[in-house]
Amino acid sequence: GDSVTQMEGPVTLSEEAFLTINCTYTATGYPSLFWYVQYPGEGLQLLLKATKADDKGSNKGFEATYRKETTSFHLEKGSVQVSDSAVYFCALRLYGNQFYFGTGTSLTVIP
Amino acid sequence: EAEVAQSPRYKITEKSQAVAFWCDPISGHATLYWYRQILGQGPELLVQFQDESVVDDSQLPKDRFSAERLKGVDSTLKIQPAELGDSAMYLCASSLSTGFEQYFGPGTRLTVT
Repeated sequence: GDSVTQMEGPVTLSEEAFLTINCTYTATGYPSLFWYVQYPGEGLQLLLKATKADDKGSNKGFEATYRKETTSFHLEKGSVQVSDSAVYFCALRLYGNQFYFGTGTSLTVIP
Repeated sequence: EAEVAQSPRYKITEKSQAVAFWCDPISGHATLYWYRQILGQGPELLVQFQDESVVDDSQLPKDRFSAERLKGVDSTLKIQPAELGDSAMYLCASSLSTGFEQYFGPGTRLTVT
């Protein structure tokens, strides 16, 4: 069935370190792919998205490229900040707006 | 900036009791979603409304859960009776219409004792 698998956490990094959170998907058809972020005590916020193969989504220094050949949508950031500490969710959307979320990866950035 | 409102933010209830959650979507958003997020997992869709009509409730445990959006604006999700396994975060989201970006509320954290 349709699903998203993302890297298990928690992830702890020092400030200014490079971040990668892996995400792979299984889907029938051609999904849109998303990264959502959830800060403590808050709801999910859309971080970035890509709607077709080879698209790159970017926002706030985060990037992810839709790779159809490897069915992946890995999240990257060159230099993380303490304020990036949150839980990150990879998700895919199929026709009819049905979303499938990954289990989330907790990131803690220490000064 | 417009936001999705949810209340209460936290709810503790005993098993077999009834509990209800309320959601007020962003004004003008026709589509409303209720998700359940179990600790350590991603959100799972329970029910989706388009205006006042249910368009997807395939994952809603209908023996104990009910949802309504009578006037196509705010919505209520009810559980009766609550079970221990219902402990989770219940998230509401809204979008302009189907296929548009979803905006999430802060959620209601339910603990069933």
